[in-house]
Amino acid sequence: SQQGEEDPQALSIQEGENATMNCSYKTSINNLQWYRQNSGRGLVHLILIRSNEREKHSGRLRVTLDTSKKSSSLLITASRAADTASYFCATSIYGGSQGNLIFGKGTKLSVKP
Amino acid sequence: DGGITQSPKYLFRKEGQNVTLSCEQNLNHDAMYWYRQDPGQGLRLIYYSQIVNDFQKGDIAEGYSVSREKKESFPLTVTSAQKNPTAFYLCASSFGLDIQYFGAGTRLSVL
Repeated sequence: SQQGEEDPQALSIQEGENATMNCSYKTSINNLQWYRQNSGRGLVHLILIRSNEREKHSGRLRVTLDTSKKSSSLLITASRAADTASYFCATSIYGGSQGNLIFGKGTKLSVKP
Repeated sequence: DGGITQSPKYLFRKEGQNVTLSCEQNLNHDAMYWYRQDPGQGLRLIYYSQIVNDFQKGDIAEGYSVSREKKESFPLTVTSAQKNPTAFYLCASSFGLDIQYFGAGTRLSVL
């Protein structure tokens, strides 16, 4: 069951530019998380935003959540070549199995030096 | 050095063979998960366990089996009934309902 859908599927930018990725979901959530995956590696948690929060920051990351539109965005400011990776949103469904996350298909970000 | 260890990194399966992927964690997490990732796709949940000696099927459990005899360990067996096992397998664990911590993955191919 695909809950989260990221947009765009792929994004290519120059170093120093900002990167924005979007995630839409279908049902009510407890929280929404963003993860990063370098090629051929496991996922690394970046940031979690709860359903009663609208915006969170962590370093160069800014996440917004609009529950009325069932959407979230991840902004990476002043991108670096090392930010090149796939980024996934994952939702914890309200009333779902405890702890279970539903992942989208990801946005593949390429940052060129 | 705390974390989740998956082994082996690469695994090859012959037709009709069962293979077992190892997942060990020393984070003292109660919950553990197995995901399958196909190229260009997101993660799909195979099995999860919230407590020792208990586990539940995820979205794509057919052709897979698990056990949870110890808190630290959650091995996944890919059985011969799984006709398309070639994929990247990821194990994760979590303490509560929130953040999941992932291993480095096992890439399974069919000979």
